[in-house]
Amino acid sequence: GAGVSQSPSNKVTEKGKDVELRCDPISGHTALYWYRQRLGQGLEFLIYFQGNSAPDKSGLPSDRFSAERTGESVSTLTIQRTQQEDSAVYLCASSLGEFTEAFFGQGTRLTVV
Amino acid sequence: AQKVTQAQTEISVVEKEDVTLDCVYETRDTTYYLFWYKQPPSGELVFLIRRNSFDEQNEISGRYSWNFQKSTSSFNFTITASQVVDSAVYFCALSEATSGYSTLTFGKGTMLLVSP
Repeated sequence: GAGVSQSPSNKVTEKGKDVELRCDPISGHTALYWYRQRLGQGLEFLIYFQGNSAPDKSGLPSDRFSAERTGESVSTLTIQRTQQEDSAVYLCASSLGEFTEAFFGQGTRLTVV
Repeated sequence: AQKVTQAQTEISVVEKEDVTLDCVYETRDTTYYLFWYKQPPSGELVFLIRRNSFDEQNEISGRYSWNFQKSTSSFNFTITASQVVDSAVYFCALSEATSGYSTLTFGKGTMLLVSP
């Protein structure tokens, strides 16, 4: 497909388990973003990649969160030892470069029980 | 610091009514970008418009129009003759050029409900 693809679309996990969320950006988009959207809230910035580098990881809420990007393409967001407050929709977006419009995936809905 | 405020949490209108969604932003930068996104029930954010801080011209696209006023730090969005398909959550967002990268700071969104 031509859009941003995220998998899985839904994930239910037990508290304390690790989860990996995947994002396939639009081909050729150098910029990739992860956002978190809690129920009824706006989007909270987590991390930004330019190529395979993440200039600023300060949006990650704790050291349980990490992300990587390889081949200037796929990105993985990992949450270790999940907590109930991690329950949210995690959205990935990509763009051609800075300040151009970002295209969003449909998100991964994470539920920690 | 940057901040985006969408004071209207939820708006309900009847089809064919006009509706304006408010967005007020705060930034110390002179160069910045403003965006509107639509999030339908399917969940995927749909880009609507990007405006840079040096372009205060209002824009119209079909039934959508945007009013950017730097004097009041507002970037309001009007839907004319609303339709049921317009029902969604609408987010206003801000990006500052001097941050070095184009992260978006989003408002909390306005849920628009258009009834037949």
